[in-house]
Amino acid sequence: NAGVTQTPKFRVLKTGQSMTLLCAQDMNHEYMYWYRQDPGMGLRLIHYSVGEGTTAKGEVPDGYNVSRLKKQNFLLGLESAAPSQTSVYFCASSYPRYEQFFGPGTRLTVL
Amino acid sequence: KQEVTQIPAALSVPEGENLVLNCSFTDSAIYNLQWFRQDPGKGLTSLLLIQSSQREQTSGRLNASLDKSSGRSTLYIAASQPGDSATYLCAVNRDNNDMRFGAGTRLTVKP
Repeated sequence: NAGVTQTPKFRVLKTGQSMTLLCAQDMNHEYMYWYRQDPGMGLRLIHYSVGEGTTAKGEVPDGYNVSRLKKQNFLLGLESAAPSQTSVYFCASSYPRYEQFFGPGTRLTVL
Repeated sequence: KQEVTQIPAALSVPEGENLVLNCSFTDSAIYNLQWFRQDPGKGLTSLLLIQSSQREQTSGRLNASLDKSSGRSTLYIAASQPGDSATYLCAVNRDNNDMRFGAGTRLTVKP
């Protein structure tokens, strides 16, 4: 039982490049989330999904897109990376109104 | 907008002390509150979840309380150990798609 996994763990991009972060969970959770964590800002919700095929915007969605084609996977895409997107990205999953379980994070640097 | 504040931002104590971490929030209409632990460079580990109908939860040496009406939660750690050194985050959930995090309390327990 791996819980929540994220790939890759680290990535360096140049401004304007694109990439996709993958989150996978094996707990059969309905809800999945993408957060970013920045010094002094805490964790902020980017996008979330309440089920396969559904996604919605969180607090800071601009510059990101997501997809949830399978219940166990939640993808976060950056179409044209900017230095302001340098951050640590966390994925989480949960049952509705129950505790959220987090992945180990992806450290992204945009030059 | 829900604001979550954690005081103090940093705390250093000698091993063996009992300690209290504080979390306050501005909107009392919450579903639950969750305490997490984060080690440097790592993801978040869920410690305790308190549903809005509950007053407290206990796990081992940890006890978390919730006073919704005053917008406060405390995390009590008994008999602290060096292995407890980490950043502790609280997060409040207005609904399952709107979890707001505090900036955390960085705890150091000295041997």
